[in-house]
Amino acid sequence: EDKVVQSPLSLVVHEGDTVTLNCSYEVTNFRSLLWYKQEKKAPTFLFMLTSSGIEKKSGRLSSILDKKELFSILNITATQTGDSAVYLCAVGQGGKLIFGQGTELSVKP
Amino acid sequence: GAVVSQHPSRVICKSGTSVKIECRSLDFQATTMFWYRQFPKKSLMLMATSNEGSKATYEQGVEKDKFLINHASLTLSTLTVTSAHPEDSSFYICSARSSQTSGRETQYFGPGTRLLVL
Repeated sequence: EDKVVQSPLSLVVHEGDTVTLNCSYEVTNFRSLLWYKQEKKAPTFLFMLTSSGIEKKSGRLSSILDKKELFSILNITATQTGDSAVYLCAVGQGGKLIFGQGTELSVKP
Repeated sequence: GAVVSQHPSRVICKSGTSVKIECRSLDFQATTMFWYRQFPKKSLMLMATSNEGSKATYEQGVEKDKFLINHASLTLSTLTVTSAHPEDSSFYICSARSSQTSGRETQYFGPGTRLLVL
């Protein structure tokens, strides 16, 4: 059965901390891995990764994929309260996305 | 770019009535749209894939007669929850995949519709 597993499920940090969110997967016909940030409403797109070892960066966020070990990490440096959200990992499989459970990140001032 | 809207954002209805939710891609054409359901503190569960001009493909366990999907144009898909019951109360989110971007797996999400069935 295809599955995407994220860890930890929840995390509380203080502003300025660096966090690493994990996503492992077992999915047939893997095409890509995507990260989304979900605040109160719908997920907003962060990154799409298709190749191993190539880091994608956007400001304080970065992500990398390891297709051999079947996982990805999302790093957030110098966290801010505005980073508080649920971070979703999804694996693209022939046009569909299979989502993980999400990691709920709470950044305290 | 890549904006997806959903209407209504929130709806309360009586048990037994039908509710229609619209999903529109505002600045791109979407040959494929997806409908998800999300329970509190849970991830997104794919209900169906909607392809413009053809029948929707439903995931296992999703009743196609209860959740009617129509994708009549490249920018609009609708989900109708027929004869809604309290257990249908949930957060429904649509997404759209552009037919033109190189990142063909990337889906852009609407803001969601919160349905409460009394």
